[in-house]
Amino acid sequence: DGGITQSPKYLFRKEGQNVTLSCEQNLNHDAMYWYRQDPGQGLRLIYYSQIVNDFQKGDIAEGYSVSREKKESFPLTVTSAQKNPTAFYLCASRDPGQQNIQYFGAGTRLSVL
Amino acid sequence: AQSVTQPDIHITVSEGASLELRCNYSYGATPYLFWYVQSPGQGLQLLLKYFSGDTLVQGIKGFEAEFKRSQSSFNLRKPSVHWSDAAEYFCAVGDAGNNRKLIWGLGTSLAVNP
Repeated sequence: DGGITQSPKYLFRKEGQNVTLSCEQNLNHDAMYWYRQDPGQGLRLIYYSQIVNDFQKGDIAEGYSVSREKKESFPLTVTSAQKNPTAFYLCASRDPGQQNIQYFGAGTRLSVL
Repeated sequence: AQSVTQPDIHITVSEGASLELRCNYSYGATPYLFWYVQSPGQGLQLLLKYFSGDTLVQGIKGFEAEFKRSQSSFNLRKPSVHWSDAAEYFCAVGDAGNNRKLIWGLGTSLAVNP
């Protein structure tokens, strides 16, 4: 089955620690996105990538980093500079054949210990 | 600036009742419009989309939405709600520029009473 796989489902971060959230897709989509979701704040764009080896900051990129070395993978690192990392993180990819439609993974919930 | 407004933060309906969730947008050109649904702790699933043509669009799970250009609205409707429809609903407008981003509303939380 084609889709987007996010792992782990739950993640805990200690103070001063960097953690990496995985996002893998087998949909052959070029564009991928990372969102942060907090209660009552909708989805906020962290980073997006239109093509391999290229990515752009979204609206709330501070404290986060990404890489796009393979078309299938777009990992997100939450660095120690992100002082309030507790949130639900969603990865998405965009179907190039359908204008703007994004498909989502099941999300990763990150909490601080 | 482009924006999406979902005026209702939370709505409660009885099972079997009709439903309308409101979405208003601000966008300079003809927008690409979307409704997504999110069950608790899950990702988002596309319910329906509008790109052009017929302004009444049908989606999955018995939902429909109507694009009204004069009102800058894209309201979601369902004639008879089921308990399984309880979820968070998001309206989004597509940026037709090169970055192809989606601009999101803050969501409407739907509760269904038995």
